[in-house]
Amino acid sequence: DARVTQTPRHKVTEMGQEVTMRCQPILGHNTVFWYRQTMMQGLELLAYFRNRAPLDDSGMPKDRFSAEMPDATLATLKIQPSEPRDSAVYFCASGLVEGWQPQHFGDGTRLSIL
Amino acid sequence: DAKTTQPNSMESNEEEPVHLPCNHSTISGTDYIHWYRQLPSQGPEYVIHGLTSNVNNRMASLAIAEDRKSSTLILHRATLRDAAVYYCILRGGNAGNMLTFGGGTRLMVKP
Repeated sequence: DARVTQTPRHKVTEMGQEVTMRCQPILGHNTVFWYRQTMMQGLELLAYFRNRAPLDDSGMPKDRFSAEMPDATLATLKIQPSEPRDSAVYFCASGLVEGWQPQHFGDGTRLSIL
Repeated sequence: DAKTTQPNSMESNEEEPVHLPCNHSTISGTDYIHWYRQLPSQGPEYVIHGLTSNVNNRMASLAIAEDRKSSTLILHRATLRDAAVYYCILRGGNAGNMLTFGGGTRLMVKP
């Protein structure tokens, strides 16, 4: 079965450092999503790409977060500078654009900012 | 926002059927009803979806009310591996293409 691949699986770093999370969507999928999960807020949508173009990033703190798709096989989520409140599990998902199509999630990146 | 309401938690015995309810009274005619589940330490996993008719797949069944204001996910024989948080989500149409996760229902399965 094709899978969404996220790297790294775990990341521990100090406050102020740059963090880059990567996602390889399933080949042929034309939508990519970034979600963040914390105990307090649950699963929140951060960014949404369709055909590599950003369609919605209203859930993302713009001053420190950025999301890009340099090509169809790679999506990145960067945090600079990182803060302890960014500690969370970050999930990437990919799918096809039709509303009935399922999203396929990666196993997530567990981020801890000290 | 097209919202859903689910019980916070439910308990089931192993090998018994489980009915997980979801209310979505503001659903629009073009919104699909999706169910996802999240096992511990994993990403969400697609379970099933439907529009108007009841649906079956290898994981579960989805029963949709005639007025579409509620639905029920049915696990026919719960196993310990089905212990997870189950999310009912509206997608497409007025709900937009994104998934908006609520709190979901935490299903506990007792041996």
